Amino acid sequence: GAVVSQHPSRVICKSGTSVKIECRSLDFQATTMFWYRQFPKKSLMLMATSNEGSKATYEQGVEKDKFLINHASLTLSTLTVTSAHPEDSSFYICSATPHGREGREQYFGPGTRLTVT
Amino acid sequence: GENVEQHPSTLSVQEGDSAVIKCTYSDSASNYFPWYKQELGKRPQLIIDIRSNVGEKKDQRIAVTLNKTAKHFSLHITETQPEDSAVYFCAASSRNTGNQFYFGTGTSLTVIP
Repeated sequence: GAVVSQHPSRVICKSGTSVKIECRSLDFQATTMFWYRQFPKKSLMLMATSNEGSKATYEQGVEKDKFLINHASLTLSTLTVTSAHPEDSSFYICSATPHGREGREQYFGPGTRLTVT
Repeated sequence: GENVEQHPSTLSVQEGDSAVIKCTYSDSASNYFPWYKQELGKRPQLIIDIRSNVGEKKDQRIAVTLNKTAKHFSLHITETQPEDSAVYFCAASSRNTGNQFYFGTGTSLTVIP
């Protein structure tokens, strides 16, 4: 149980285009999902908290107009990188906490490797 | 906001020896401390966690200790095996700040056969 999927696993796009990444909780409902960015051999940097039915909460320094988050249902959150640039190339990973277990374990997706050329 | 520091950044041990990774946190309101293991190219996996009302928790070869007063917690792996080689991350979380996880910088553990 507690499986989180992400799609796509890898994406290459050109500068100026937008990319959408999906995060799904497959066997549980998640009121809250989280989006992280991870650089090679570095830690997970929290970007934003995605709340079902309301606006996402962004961490300081993360541009909300660039990283659009939509949490339309209890099992799906999407991250759209708008007008991508090479410096947006990174590993993006989401996590979800089962509804009713907020403040407890987060289950991570497999991540999405974004390369912007 | 919360600041989590983790040491050491790299750790090499001989198979069978113990490994200890230490983390400190800054927000006294943090009340949940998970540890994740991330193998190369894979997702982080929860290996053990501890809540602030407990001082120690053990699960087979893995244990975590928490000192709330000093705001530090540690991961202990005994009888290490080559398959324990991975990057380990500690994290701290608080209901007061939306239950977000703030991760440490990670420890790359290598167990030498």
